[in-house]
Amino acid sequence: QKEVEQDPGPLSVPEGAIVSLNCTYSNSAFQYFMWYRQYSRKGPELLMYTYSSGNKEDGRFTAQVDKSSKYISLFIRDSQPSDSATYLCAMRGTSGTYKYIFGTGTRLKVLA
Amino acid sequence: DSGVTQTPKHLITATGQRVTLRCSPRSGDLSVYWYQQSLDQGLQFLIQYYNGEERAKGNILERFSAQQFPDLHSELNLSSLELGDSALYFCASSVDGSGYTFGSGTRLTVV
Repeated sequence: QKEVEQDPGPLSVPEGAIVSLNCTYSNSAFQYFMWYRQYSRKGPELLMYTYSSGNKEDGRFTAQVDKSSKYISLFIRDSQPSDSATYLCAMRGTSGTYKYIFGTGTRLKVLA
Repeated sequence: DSGVTQTPKHLITATGQRVTLRCSPRSGDLSVYWYQQSLDQGLQFLIQYYNGEERAKGNILERFSAQQFPDLHSELNLSSLELGDSALYFCASSVDGSGYTFGSGTRLTVV
């Protein structure tokens, strides 16, 4: 079993839809959580960074962490065709290495 | 431009050869991380350096090695290349672990 599980998709939604992307994890020591967006053949770009449980909002993006269920989510409101990309979750514990474990990514397609 | 510079962008080489990938971190970032991304494996952590010293190691093959120099740039050396080493290799940097900044990657094709 992988430490971080993410549905590979693809997930296709119409423009304007609310998108929900999810990751589950097995290591209860994880405390720091990130979401990255990666366009084809480009480097991942940091979207959201959260610590421990709770919600964080930034524009059209909301990150949610439920540590009791070992489950994190990224919501995208009013999705746009430009949001079409692969979304990667990443997480780490509190050790000093700052090494993040990444999910395999979910491909999102927003249809105009 | 993320501030993390990786060269070369593309590399095509034959099996058995050796290549060196270079990464310059974002100004002020002391940590450099190397990741390998292949289609079926996602982003796999290879190795981390912090201010010139190795800090963490992932599933890095013995044929692979890395170092970070006093000016903080890092090099990833891949030797005795095999077809299966074909992948995107990313470098990322951070100052305090609150998030990585990735470079645009080096696409390695072994033929």
